[in-house]
Amino acid sequence: DAGVTQSPTHLIKTRGQQVTLRCSPKSGHDTVSWYQQALGQGPQFIFQYYEEEERQRGNFPDRFSGHQFPNYSSELNVNALLLGDSALYLCASSSQGAYTDTQYFGPGTRLTVL
Amino acid sequence: KNQVEQSPQSLIILEGKNCTLQCNYTVSPFSNLRWYKQDTGRGPVSLTIMTFSENTKSNGRYTATLDADTKQSSLHITASQLSDSASYICVVSASSNTGKLIFGQGTTLQVKP
Repeated sequence: DAGVTQSPTHLIKTRGQQVTLRCSPKSGHDTVSWYQQALGQGPQFIFQYYEEEERQRGNFPDRFSGHQFPNYSSELNVNALLLGDSALYLCASSSQGAYTDTQYFGPGTRLTVL
Repeated sequence: KNQVEQSPQSLIILEGKNCTLQCNYTVSPFSNLRWYKQDTGRGPVSLTIMTFSENTKSNGRYTATLDADTKQSSLHITASQLSDSASYICVVSASSNTGKLIFGQGTTLQVKP
């Protein structure tokens, strides 16, 4: 049973560029959430996707966008990269309907913006 | 404002000793509280999850407590091991947002031989 997978593991970009990060949820999960974790900080919620739609969004600008595919996998896109976007980007999957739903996290993608 | 605060920010203990990490939250309405362990550069791994009706839950050497009245939780680690060195993050889920989790900044624990 595969857990949550993310790709790539590391990425280096320059300011102004665009980046796409990918996530495959744990088998049986239909909901994907994305988080940004700056060094030494707790993760910050970016947004959540369910049934191919964005359900909830945190306090992130429109430069951050996403997509969920019919197979429940998801992409996070960041446009016009800033130095401050350097962080570990975590994807978490869960299953709707469970009251005490547990999110399973992937290993993360380390993004460095130069 | 929904917030989760953890203390201490960092902690160093000797192998074999016990320790307790604290978490205070102001999230309302409250759904559940989780403790995660995060190794450096890795994704968080769930240790425990508790709803408002549960006041203690154990996972091996990890025991979490919850006081929903005072909005406080603690994570007690017994007989620490070198592999316990990690960040421990307290996370609260609000009833109105089953998917949106509010994370604390974490407590960095270092276990020394």
